[in-house]
Amino acid sequence: DADVTQTPRNRITKTGKRIMLECSQTKGHDRMYWYRQDPGLGLQLIYYSFDVKDINKGEISDGYSVSRQAQAKFSLSLESAIPNQTALYFCATSDFLGSYTFGSGTRLTVV
Amino acid sequence: AQSVTQPDIHITVSEGASLELRCNYSYGATPYLFWYVQSPGQGLQLLLKYFSGDTLVQGIKGFEAEFKRSQSSFNLRKPSVHWSDAAEYFCAVGASTGTASKLTFGTGTRLQVTL
Repeated sequence: DADVTQTPRNRITKTGKRIMLECSQTKGHDRMYWYRQDPGLGLQLIYYSFDVKDINKGEISDGYSVSRQAQAKFSLSLESAIPNQTALYFCATSDFLGSYTFGSGTRLTVV
Repeated sequence: AQSVTQPDIHITVSEGASLELRCNYSYGATPYLFWYVQSPGQGLQLLLKYFSGDTLVQGIKGFEAEFKRSQSSFNLRKPSVHWSDAAEYFCAVGASTGTASKLTFGTGTRLQVTL
């Protein structure tokens, strides 16, 4: 089993719909992250969490929300999806120094 | 706040040739530095990291990187590239004080390997 599992792998949704991307990890780390990847822009941090009771906004949190259900689970929601949220989304977990383990990504298309 | 610049968007090398991918960072103190690789359809995988000590660090898959404080650089090198090295490479910087694990990533360099 993968250390970081993201579901779904691919999703097509309509504008205005609410969608949730899920992430679970078996590394036992407290720190988890959601990133968005767009061609030419690298990875942009959406939200991060350093433990179950700690949630922080990243660079591009508008239009997104998160929930940290347990140490191992960190989900990302798009409350009302719009086309410019079409992107590749990555969940990651890390130790306290920044050695990250990434999931395989969720390719989201908003039509 | 820290930042990272990868000046080369795309690089093409022949199999067996040497490789150097450039990375420049901006940070007020000694940073934590990382290189990650992303193969098509995959997440990012850690290649190597620098925290302190020896400025030449060895990673997986035969890669190495050298921290040069005077040049604010952390370039990735490999003596002989294999076709399987074709991927996108990301440099990242983390703060050595405060929130160390919150990394800032560069925009990536796509490596193409010709046979």
